[in-house]
Amino acid sequence: AQTVTQSQPEMSVQEAETVTLSCTYDTSENNYYLFWYKQPPSRQMILVIRQEAYKQQNATENRFSVNFQKAAKSFSLKISDSQLGDTAMYFCAFMNPTGANSKLTFGKGITLSVRP
Amino acid sequence: DTAVSQTPKYLVTQMGNDKSIKCEQNLGHDTMYWYKQDSKKFLKIMFSYNNKELIINETVPNRFSPKSPDKAHLNLHINSLELGDSAVYFCASGQGVYNEQFFGPGTRLTVL
Repeated sequence: AQTVTQSQPEMSVQEAETVTLSCTYDTSENNYYLFWYKQPPSRQMILVIRQEAYKQQNATENRFSVNFQKAAKSFSLKISDSQLGDTAMYFCAFMNPTGANSKLTFGKGITLSVRP
Repeated sequence: DTAVSQTPKYLVTQMGNDKSIKCEQNLGHDTMYWYKQDSKKFLKIMFSYNNKELIINETVPNRFSPKSPDKAHLNLHINSLELGDSAVYFCASGQGVYNEQFFGPGTRLTVL
């Protein structure tokens, strides 16, 4: 079974600065996907970024980028130029893409606060 | 146009009651899911359906019964509600290479 660990329960960052959220996972699979989801106070789950394990290049989406270290089973999220709207819980998630059997396994989440 | 919708958004009920949560997706996806987010915000898969067929059932008590009348709908019926069932329940749908999953807005269930 896969496990996802987010060991930092909360972090705080000044607006416009950069913050990195950590995530490690454990799996014996070679082909999988990793995701970061954002959950603001509205509780809507919003996909921030995804990474395919077979790709060596780190994914980037505007101010969001990941540092994917496959051998170390590490998948951290970097948020640049933090904005007040980035205040939310962030969940790291793992998926073994087996079609209809695909399910997301989530970490416990981290609460990020962006200070004005 | 809401991609994945759930009703109701809030549900407050007494222990022992039976309740249902409805979910609809207009994305044309084949697979739909139910996730539970507990009071500590931990999210866990409960069920998945593919084209009305149950695929994943993650050791959920049999008081929980998902029903899929068609591939655009996946409802969750809960019998004999218990205090521990209080949580936020998310519906999601997915399809494609990544099977990227799109989530509904969640239903906060409170059992008194």
